[in-house]
Amino acid sequence: EAGVAQSPRYKIIEKRQSVAFWCNPISGHATLYWYQQILGQGPKLLIQFQNNGVVDDSQLPKDRFSAERLKGVDSTLKIQPAKLEDSAVYLCASSAQGDEQFFGPGTRLTVL
Amino acid sequence: KQEVTQIPAALSVPEGENLVLNCSFTDSAIYNLQWFRQDPGKGLTSLLLIQSSQREQTSGRLNASLDKSSGRSTLYIAASQPGDSATYLCAVQAGNNRKLIWGLGTSLAVNP
Repeated sequence: EAGVAQSPRYKIIEKRQSVAFWCNPISGHATLYWYQQILGQGPKLLIQFQNNGVVDDSQLPKDRFSAERLKGVDSTLKIQPAKLEDSAVYLCASSAQGDEQFFGPGTRLTVL
Repeated sequence: KQEVTQIPAALSVPEGENLVLNCSFTDSAIYNLQWFRQDPGKGLTSLLLIQSSQREQTSGRLNASLDKSSGRSTLYIAASQPGDSATYLCAVQAGNNRKLIWGLGTSLAVNP
């Protein structure tokens, strides 16, 4: 069974630029999560999808972050414009029934 | 409010030692507890998931226990190897929206 796929693995941008991350969950997993992990901290949930609907986006900075999962499968997370404090690893995870979460390799974002 | 604490924050041991990582949580109303491994700058690998009704789970050299009433879990690693060096995070799933609440992790170094 293929795992959660994410791309790109690394991204370096200047502040005020925009960036997009892509995630393809494990086949058949209805729930998809985007997390932000700042160095030395635990992951922070940004948004949770159930199929193509948003379950929880309470910690998503909606003035600059957006996410979509149009067909209930893969998802994109966008930051526009980026700030220095957005430098982090962005993790995507999926879950079949909302319990055990499986994570992708992450995208390390550096904002200069 | 559910809080998860991991002790110690860092641990350095010689190869071959058996070791125990600790995770505590403040509210026993959890669905499950999950242990993850994270290599530097990488994604999270799920190691073990213990449902709230279970007492322990085993996978190879890893054994995780759960005492829900006292709010504690331990991850036991037998015969540690240098390849076990990583950060180990625990997370509990709790609340109406079944969010994961994370500890800050234990950074483990196994020295040859």
